[in-house]
Amino acid sequence: KQEVTQIPAALSVPEGENLVLNCSFTDSAIYNLQWFRQDPGKGLTSLLLIQSSQREQTSGRLNASLDKSSGRSTLYIAASQPGDSATYLCAVLNQGGKLIFGQGTELSVKP
Amino acid sequence: GAVVSQHPSRVICKSGTSVKIECRSLDFQATTMFWYRQFPKQSLMLMATSNEGSKATYEQGVEKDKFLINHASLTLSTLTVTSAHPEDSSFYICSANPGQGYYGYTFGSGTRLTVV
Repeated sequence: KQEVTQIPAALSVPEGENLVLNCSFTDSAIYNLQWFRQDPGKGLTSLLLIQSSQREQTSGRLNASLDKSSGRSTLYIAASQPGDSATYLCAVLNQGGKLIFGQGTELSVKP
Repeated sequence: GAVVSQHPSRVICKSGTSVKIECRSLDFQATTMFWYRQFPKQSLMLMATSNEGSKATYEQGVEKDKFLINHASLTLSTLTVTSAHPEDSSFYICSANPGQGYYGYTFGSGTRLTVV
């Protein structure tokens, strides 16, 4: 059974810092991995999608990496801003066609 | 880009009544949509997979008679919470995959259900 774990559960940083969020999964047989952002009481916004054959994806200040063999992904946020404060979720699409989510990392960026 | 619209965003209902939540794909067709439930400070749990023109597939432990799913068209899936109880209060989110390989899953804005 696929399990997705995100560390840390919560993170508070001062504005301007670079930071890394971690995601690990137990079954490497995945189609892709997706990082999402969720603001309180809102739906999910897709940030980056990495196909199983890819190693990383970049969008603006965000960079996501994928090491499928070790079951790990990281989301790197450069020069963090207060507007980045949200919960970040990673999810893997397993070979059964289901999206399995981690518990999320709650990020707070202090001005 | 691909947009999934979910309505209503918030609903309060009395115990014993039913509530319908709509999920629409606005600019693409979705033969499959997904319904998730999220408790406070927890992750999303898949409840069921909605299949256009056929029965939904429910995850283990989800009562199909309580959570009725209808996917009558390629752009609309509905989730009806029947005979709602306070323990059904939660955040419900739908999702669909626009396809074409690289978009990934797109999510609605969610519905906060409160049963009083």
